[in-house]
Amino acid sequence: AQSVTQLDSHVSVSEGTPVLLRCNYSSSYSPSLFWYVQHPNKGLQLLLKYTSAATLVKGINGFEAEFKKSETSFHLTKPSAHMSDAAEYFCVVSSANTNAGKSTFGDGTTLTVKP
Amino acid sequence: DAGVIQSPRHEVTEMGQEVTLRCKPISGHDYLFWYRQTMMRGLELLIYFNNNVPIDDSGMPEDRFSAKMPNASFSTLKIQPSEPRDSAVYFCASRGLINYGYTFGSGTRLTVV
Repeated sequence: AQSVTQLDSHVSVSEGTPVLLRCNYSSSYSPSLFWYVQHPNKGLQLLLKYTSAATLVKGINGFEAEFKKSETSFHLTKPSAHMSDAAEYFCVVSSANTNAGKSTFGDGTTLTVKP
Repeated sequence: DAGVIQSPRHEVTEMGQEVTLRCKPISGHDYLFWYRQTMMRGLELLIYFNNNVPIDDSGMPEDRFSAKMPNASFSTLKIQPSEPRDSAVYFCASRGLINYGYTFGSGTRLTVV
């Protein structure tokens, strides 16, 4: 079985300050983990992915995430928020051995960036 | 590659009418997923296919909903008859190897009046 929990439904930061979006996962097997971003009235776009290589993963637009197996976490960070980062973010877990290839999505975190 | 292509982008229809949403996945991707997104329920998986075969349709809300994938390059989601509560954004996504994540289409915004 697999599951994912996004710990904050809403996060608000000021432009230029760091961003932290938290994600915990559960998986019976070695997971693949992803972050997707959805801007208003747009589809979901892959930000970054972890697939059992380096535990610190760099994505697009300056985002990165660290896979911590001991904490079953995959938090998304960015050193300095930009207004264009305002969007909804989804954490996703997949395991090749379970669910016949189906991924499990978190409920999403809405990021607001204040000027 | 043009990505996952969905049509139409917007659909407004009257209650009781049949609605057909279309999706062209990325060539070579052997998984195709249909999702529905609303403010109230968030992102819901409706059905997914592997090599054109439906694997899990447990998310299809009612018998009014049906999906087909006649070949590797085309899938449809049909609602008949449509109801106002079906109003939502419907996304199609495709995927190859599990390590590569999904590629989503731009979605179809359905409004049933």
